[in-house]
Amino acid sequence: GAVVSQHPSRVICKSGTSVKIECRSLDFQATTMFWYRQFPKKSLMLMATSNEGSKATYEQGVEKDKFLINHASLTLSTLTVTSAHPEDSSFYICSAPGLAGEQYFGPGTRLTVT
Amino acid sequence: AQSVAQPEDQVNVAEGNPLTVKCTYSVSGNPYLFWYVQYPNRGLQFLLKYITGDNLVKGSYGFEAEFNKSQTSFHLKKPSALVSDSALYFCAVRVAGGSSNTGKLIFGQGTTLQVKP
Repeated sequence: GAVVSQHPSRVICKSGTSVKIECRSLDFQATTMFWYRQFPKKSLMLMATSNEGSKATYEQGVEKDKFLINHASLTLSTLTVTSAHPEDSSFYICSAPGLAGEQYFGPGTRLTVT
Repeated sequence: AQSVAQPEDQVNVAEGNPLTVKCTYSVSGNPYLFWYVQYPNRGLQFLLKYITGDNLVKGSYGFEAEFNKSQTSFHLKKPSALVSDSALYFCAVRVAGGSSNTGKLIFGQGTTLQVKP
């Protein structure tokens, strides 16, 4: 099946710094990718839709200047958490749609802001 | 508005017994429904989907789900649970609009399945 990777799997950063998370579709192209945030034992909250070659579409309440999304190629989308604060600590997951309507999810990135 | 509900936070079953994880939905138009499983500190794995056709959908790891239009439900089932099935399960519906393979998903709250030996 299709594979989506994320890097890094875990990252610890200091408050005020920026962190970049990569999402790659390894064996297929994705003009669209999705970024989710998940709190412990909670459902996934869709943050934004990443569109290759154009601006990302953000969900209501998500700060686009804080969560910068770039989809520079058909296999790579990046999420940059700018000026991170402890409340940004979370599990971030990306996904890419398959040909049959399902989505393929990355393994997630655990961000801890100290 | 489209939504998905998983009424149970946790389901406990004994190994070897049948299991059911409940899901109800509210959509405009025909629903595209999905089940995913998540193991600790991992991403979501696709289990099965209903787009059209037979109401009983068979998926990975022996799971199946039954689409019931009149009850707007899509419950996940397995005839005989394994301890290794213990995980977090999510029901999801594709948001209407857009093409079928690029639409974003709305997830239920998730149900923790605990299978005890």
